[in-house]
Amino acid sequence: GDSVTQMEGPVTLSEEAFLTINCTYTATGYPSLFWYVQYPGEGLQLLLKATKADDKGSNKGFEATYRKETTSFHLEKGSVQVSDSAVYFCAFSTQGGSEKLVFGKGTKLTVNP
Amino acid sequence: GAVVSQHPSRVICKSGTSVKIECRSLDFQATTMFWYRQFPKQSLMLMATSNEGSKATYEQGVEKDKFLINHASLTLSTLTVTSAHPEDSSFYICSAHLAGTPRDTQYFGPGTRLTVL
Repeated sequence: GDSVTQMEGPVTLSEEAFLTINCTYTATGYPSLFWYVQYPGEGLQLLLKATKADDKGSNKGFEATYRKETTSFHLEKGSVQVSDSAVYFCAFSTQGGSEKLVFGKGTKLTVNP
Repeated sequence: GAVVSQHPSRVICKSGTSVKIECRSLDFQATTMFWYRQFPKQSLMLMATSNEGSKATYEQGVEKDKFLINHASLTLSTLTVTSAHPEDSSFYICSAHLAGTPRDTQYFGPGTRLTVL
C-alpha cells in the first residue's frame, strides 16, 4: 500500500552543518511530493514540493529532487541554522481525485549553536 | 494568511465522556477540511475528509459513530470523540483546503493533544 519511509531521528547538528533527511515512498502512479515542517507549538507548514520526475523543490535554502527511479525525495540544506530546529515530514498526495496526503513519521532536527 | 486554529490545544478527560475539538480557518474559507490522528512516533493518519454542508468521508477503519465530524460553515469543522477511551488518546490535527488552490494544498492547525484517563 501507499507509504512513506523517512529517516528516523532525532538528528542533532551544529550550526552551518550539512543536512540530509532521507525519504522514500511507495505509491501508484505519479504522485506529487512534499516536505512539511513543524516548528514547536505550530501547525505543519509546506516547506517545498515537486510535482513531476526530476523537478527540484526549493525554499529557505532547503532542496529536494523528485527521483522517480529511486522513488526518493531526500531533503538537503547546505548550512543549517538554529532556527531550522523543527520536525520535518515527507509526504505525497495520492491520485484519483481525492488528493489525500500520506505522511512519513517525521524527523526531529535540533541545531545547536 | 491561510491560518488554521484548533481549540483546545490540550484536553484531558475521563473514560466514557465525549470531547469536541474545533478547527477554524481564520482568514479564508475552506470548502474542505481534513482530520488526522498522530500516535507517538507514527505518521499522521488521515481519519476523514469533510466538505462544508455534507457528510464526512471516513477512511477505512475509522468509526464514523465514534468520531463525529461536523462541517457546518466554511470556516469551522468540529470533531467529537464520543465515549472516549484511553486508546483514543492521541494528537489530533486538522487541515483546511483553500478554494482556488491545487487540491493537494492544505493548511494545518497546530493540533490538539487528547488524553483519556
